[in-house]
Amino acid sequence: EVQLVETGGGLVQPGGSLRLSCAASGFTFSVNEMNWVRQAPGKGLEWVSSISSSGTTIYYADSVKGRFTISRDNAKNSLYLQMNSLRAEDTAVYYCARAPSPWYFDLWGRGTLITVSS
Amino acid sequence: NFMLTQPHSVSESPGKTVTISCTRSSGSIAGNYVQWYQQRPGSSPTTVIYEDNQRPSGVPDRFSGSIDGSSNSASLTISGLKTEDEADYYCQSYDSSSLWVFGGGTKLTVL
Repeated sequence: EVQLVETGGGLVQPGGSLRLSCAASGFTFSVNEMNWVRQAPGKGLEWVSSISSSGTTIYYADSVKGRFTISRDNAKNSLYLQMNSLRAEDTAVYYCARAPSPWYFDLWGRGTLITVSS
Repeated sequence: NFMLTQPHSVSESPGKTVTISCTRSSGSIAGNYVQWYQQRPGSSPTTVIYEDNQRPSGVPDRFSGSIDGSSNSASLTISGLKTEDEADYYCQSYDSSSLWVFGGGTKLTVL
């Protein structure tokens, strides 16, 4: 089955760190650009970060630049998001999303909830 | 950087046709592809239209997309509305400066 499964969510204090993982299966992970997209409670979708198939080209939204780091391990079919210096406004469901072309997403995971609160 | 503006909500009756607009604030709507995602309550998004007017396999032809250069906007039209179409719909586009941009989302109520 073609799917993306995110893990690593939870409750973290402001200023803390968390690492999200996304396990891909059912398709050739290594040829796809991958992304993280988040959705704050009751709000819309916000693109967070993107990584090329080889991992050499990376982009971040201004809201997370300098605090979040995206990476991937093609041998393990996995995508990661290291989140540091977390803020209350980072509270959201984080989705892993596949991009078959640079401009859109065609496969989404079920998401993992990050809550930043003291 | 550009923004995509959608109506907060629309409603229509089963069997009718509804159109959701997505207006680009700067730059040409035709300059970069527009996508539409459906998000049912409690679920993750799914793609219903990509590259302005292309439907992924499995998406019924009741869903169609278009762009209008004169209004600098894109539209998602859903005909023959069904209760299962009730969801939030997001438009999305991309350019090399703003990267991936989503509209604020439109809540479709089928009543």
